[in-house]
Amino acid sequence: EDKVVQSPLSLVVHEGDTVTLNCSYEVTNFRSLLWYKQEKKAPTFLFMLTSSGIEKKSGRLSSILDKKELFSILNITATQTGDSAIYLCAVRKSSGDKLTFGTGTRLAVRP
Amino acid sequence: GAVVSQHPSWVICKSGTSVKIECRSLDFQATTMFWYRQFPKQSLMLMATSNEGSKATYEQGVEKDKFLINHASLTLSTLTVTSAHPEDSSFYICSARVPDSSETQYFGPGTRLLVL
Repeated sequence: EDKVVQSPLSLVVHEGDTVTLNCSYEVTNFRSLLWYKQEKKAPTFLFMLTSSGIEKKSGRLSSILDKKELFSILNITATQTGDSAIYLCAVRKSSGDKLTFGTGTRLAVRP
Repeated sequence: GAVVSQHPSWVICKSGTSVKIECRSLDFQATTMFWYRQFPKQSLMLMATSNEGSKATYEQGVEKDKFLINHASLTLSTLTVTSAHPEDSSFYICSARVPDSSETQYFGPGTRLLVL
């Protein structure tokens, strides 16, 4: 059975802190790993990773994939209260478009 | 990014009634759309894959007769929760895959269903 596990489940930090969110996976025929941010409504796309060791960056967010150790991390530097959300990791297999989601990490950034 | 809309955003209904939720891709054509359900403080669970012009593919444990999916055009998929019961109360989210090399799925804003 395919598994996507995120840690920690929840995290509380103060503005300006740096956080690292983890996502490990066990899937057959891995194709890509995606990170989403979910605030009150539906998830918004952050990154898609397919190759090991290549960092993707967007502003204060960055992510990297390790296909040998089967995990990815999402880093957020200089956190702001607007970063408070649930961060979801999902894995896509090479056959089909189905995404398998992890349980998410709930991040709260205090002023 | 691509835009996916859902309607309605909120629905409250009585037990036993049927509820239809629409998912539209606004600026692209989607041959494949996905329907997810999310319970409070839980992750997204894929219910079914909706294919334009053919039958939907349901995940294990999802009743196809209860959750009717119709993908009548390249920009519209509908999910009908038939004879809804309180345990069907949930957040229903659709997504559509942009048909380009990125293969990214974009999500609609979700529909919150409350069955009384």
